[in-house]
Amino acid sequence: TQLLEQSPQFLSIQEGENLTVYCNSSSVFSSLQWYRQEPGEGPVLLVTVVTGGEVKKLKRLTFQFGDARKDSSLHITAAQPGDTGLYLCALEYSGGGADGLTFGKGTHLIIQP
Amino acid sequence: NAGVTQTPKFRVLKTGQSMTLLCAQDMNHEYMYWYRQDPGMGLRLIHYSVGEGTTAKGEVPDGYNVSRLKKQNFLLGLESAAPSQTSVYFCASTPGLAVGANVLTFGAGSRLTVL
Repeated sequence: TQLLEQSPQFLSIQEGENLTVYCNSSSVFSSLQWYRQEPGEGPVLLVTVVTGGEVKKLKRLTFQFGDARKDSSLHITAAQPGDTGLYLCALEYSGGGADGLTFGKGTHLIIQP
Repeated sequence: NAGVTQTPKFRVLKTGQSMTLLCAQDMNHEYMYWYRQDPGMGLRLIHYSVGEGTTAKGEVPDGYNVSRLKKQNFLLGLESAAPSQTSVYFCASTPGLAVGANVLTFGAGSRLTVL
């Protein structure tokens, strides 16, 4: 049984601060996706990482895939109120079937003006 | 440019009533999924389909049934609703399972309350 943990579960910070969200798995995974969900909406893909050690940037968001392919992080620089939302990591495990991705429980992020 | 459309968006049921949630996608995706999202539990897979006419159980299938008679539609049914089925339900689809390409497109969700 693969265990997937996201931390922190909740985070409330002031506008302009930096933050990091973590996603850790008990098993090696093939790829990882980060989604963002706003209230009343479905999750929307932010990025997919497939290579160990990979770093991707999306404006003020930096996504890192661990070398051992068991962890990932999302770093936001100079957070804005528009970054508020639920951030979900989703893992694809080697040999995973059509039952799709395994989702973390999410990080609720609030950026206060 | 609709993507994944879920109906209804909101519904209130009494215990024991039945209902069907409809998911429609216009992207010609093969794979479709129903998830439920509860506070502190994340997204949990209920049922999924790998193509027209096929369905399979996910992590939490009890109390639900599904059908995929047409490629673009995936229906989720509750035969006898229970308060434990109060949740937000999300439908998602993906074109394929290649590593790194298994990206889900989600609907906006259907909020169900069972009294």
